[in-house]
Amino acid sequence: GQQLNQSPQSMFIQEGEDVSMNCTSSSIFNTWLWYKQDPGEGPVLLIALYKAGELTSNGRLTAQFGITRKDSFLNISASIPSDVGIYFCAGRGGSNYKLTFGKGTLLTVNP
Amino acid sequence: DAGVIQSPRHEVTEMGQEVTLRCKPISGHNSLFWYRQTMMRGLELLIYFNNNVPIDDSGMPEDRFSAKMPNASFSTLKIQPSEPRDSAVYFCATTLGSGSNEQFFGPGTRLTVL
Repeated sequence: GQQLNQSPQSMFIQEGEDVSMNCTSSSIFNTWLWYKQDPGEGPVLLIALYKAGELTSNGRLTAQFGITRKDSFLNISASIPSDVGIYFCAGRGGSNYKLTFGKGTLLTVNP
Repeated sequence: DAGVIQSPRHEVTEMGQEVTLRCKPISGHNSLFWYRQTMMRGLELLIYFNNNVPIDDSGMPEDRFSAKMPNASFSTLKIQPSEPRDSAVYFCATTLGSGSNEQFFGPGTRLTVL
């Protein structure tokens, strides 16, 4: 089956720093999604990418759909304490409903 | 607006007991997903319903797991009998249409089987 490798597994940064995380896939995806999960809550969609090469921003967040369709990255600029949480990438391949999730990146922001 | 509602939020039970997790989708959403989240395996899709019909149950681990959607506003995931390895957070997510749109997740049920 499809596998997603998400890195890094965790990051510990100072407030104000920029953050970058990425996902690579063993197969091609048609859609890349980035979610954030706060403690005790379900994942919330941050950014959706639908086309190879697409670069999309949502406030301080920027994500790109890799040209090969096998990777995506998420950048967070000028991090703040409320950015703390687990960030997941997810990809959708041939099926129009099935998402494959990465294992997540745990982000800790030190004020 | 009410999001996806799951109950209970926490469940602690003993091995061998039956466990029933409940989900109320966002009104009007006709696709519903049950996921399981563990440290080891991350988020895994268990079953997908569209218009109350199970479309893909290939992720259901074994016969101890069953899911139903008797109507558009209610779904259950049942584990009988439960085992310690079933301990995880179970999420329900719903979306409009055939499932290719944004999935809205509920807050999850944290299940602990002793």
